[in-house]
Amino acid sequence: DAMVIQNPRYQVTQFGKPVTLSCSQTLNHNVMYWYQQKSSQAPKLLFHYYDKDFNNEADTPDNFQSRRPNTSFCFLDIRSPGLGDAAMYLCATSRTGGGQPQHFGDGTRLSIL
Amino acid sequence: AQSVAQPEDQVNVAEGNPLTVKCTYSVSGNPYLFWYVQYPNRGLQFLLKYITGDNLVKGSYGFEAEFNKSQTSFHLKKPSALVSDSALYFCAVRALTSGNTPLVFGKGTRLSVIA
Repeated sequence: DAMVIQNPRYQVTQFGKPVTLSCSQTLNHNVMYWYQQKSSQAPKLLFHYYDKDFNNEADTPDNFQSRRPNTSFCFLDIRSPGLGDAAMYLCATSRTGGGQPQHFGDGTRLSIL
Repeated sequence: AQSVAQPEDQVNVAEGNPLTVKCTYSVSGNPYLFWYVQYPNRGLQFLLKYITGDNLVKGSYGFEAEFNKSQTSFHLKKPSALVSDSALYFCAVRALTSGNTPLVFGKGTRLSVIA
């Protein structure tokens, strides 16, 4: 089945130690998104790509960066994780078009020691 | 600016009873509206969407939603709730004129179905 896959499902890192989360998709969607979700709150959009065009949300901390080397893969890099960055990170994809739904992966739960 | 309100943090319903999860929206012009469900430690799963046409939209797992333009609402409904419907539900909106902007999500409503 076509899907959005996030690895790993659970990630533990140390305070200040860089960490990378990965997302891949077999849907061939041109739009990819990264969200941060804390404690059953609404997902908070960090950034998204239309093809290779990167769009950063104004309130996304500089600590968070992203790479999209090709259509299928997207990475979230957290350069120096703080305790406040512990959260679920969700990747989503969609086709272009206002009526297109976003399809989510199962997320990576990040813990900071 | 686009926004979504889910006025209830928690909805409790007995198994077999009808359920409603409320959503109101604010956009300039016409909206695209979506409902998602999230189970523990899972991503958001798409349930249904309203684009245009019939105001009653049917989706996955027996859920449906009614678009009401005059009340700017898009409430999620199911005629007979199951215990397995217990989850977190998110309403989302995108303005028709906003192009490809990402969805704007509500804060979520936790549904508990009691046996």
